Amino acid sequence: TQLLEQSPQFLSIQEGENLTVYCNSSSVFSSLQWYRQEPGEGPVLLVTVVTGGEVKKLKRLTFQFGDARKDSSLHITAAQTGDTGLYLCAGGGNAGNMLTFGGGTRLMVKP
Amino acid sequence: DAEITQSPRHKITETGRQVTLACHQTWNHNNMFWYRQDLGHGLRLIHYSYGVQDTNKGEVSDGYSVSRSNTEDLPLTLESAASSQTSVYFCASSESYSGGGLEFFGPGTRLTVL
Repeated sequence: TQLLEQSPQFLSIQEGENLTVYCNSSSVFSSLQWYRQEPGEGPVLLVTVVTGGEVKKLKRLTFQFGDARKDSSLHITAAQTGDTGLYLCAGGGNAGNMLTFGGGTRLMVKP
Repeated sequence: DAEITQSPRHKITETGRQVTLACHQTWNHNNMFWYRQDLGHGLRLIHYSYGVQDTNKGEVSDGYSVSRSNTEDLPLTLESAASSQTSVYFCASSESYSGGGLEFFGPGTRLTVL
């Protein structure tokens, strides 16, 4: 069974601060996805990375896939209150669209 | 616009009852998935389907079943609900596999088993 560990589990910061959350595994994934989930809603896909070492930017969010495709990080610059939510990483295996999800990082950005 | 819907959004039932949660997507996706989300466990895969008449067990399939009679729907049935099945259930769909794929999630069903 492939496992994904996310850290930290909880993060509370002030608006304007920078932060990084991590997604780590001992397994290799063919792809890695990041989602954000608001209370009472389903996860919303933010990005998919597929190449080792790949870096993708989405406005103030920077996503990186590790060289060995076992880990990933999400960096948020100058966090805003609208960034508050649960951030989930999910690793894609080699069998169809099977995804393994991490436990999530719950981010709270205070004004 | 294409979408994925779930019903009901909230359900309270009693131990031992049969419960069916509906999932309907208009993306015309072949792949559909059911996950449950519990605090501390993230999302765990229950069942999935790659097309009509195809169903497969996921990581936590015991006590659940699905059927796929058409492309749009993948209902999830709890044969005899147990308190351990109290959770938030999400349905998802995606295009055929292509290097990791994309998944579109429904809004979720919050199920409470008393």
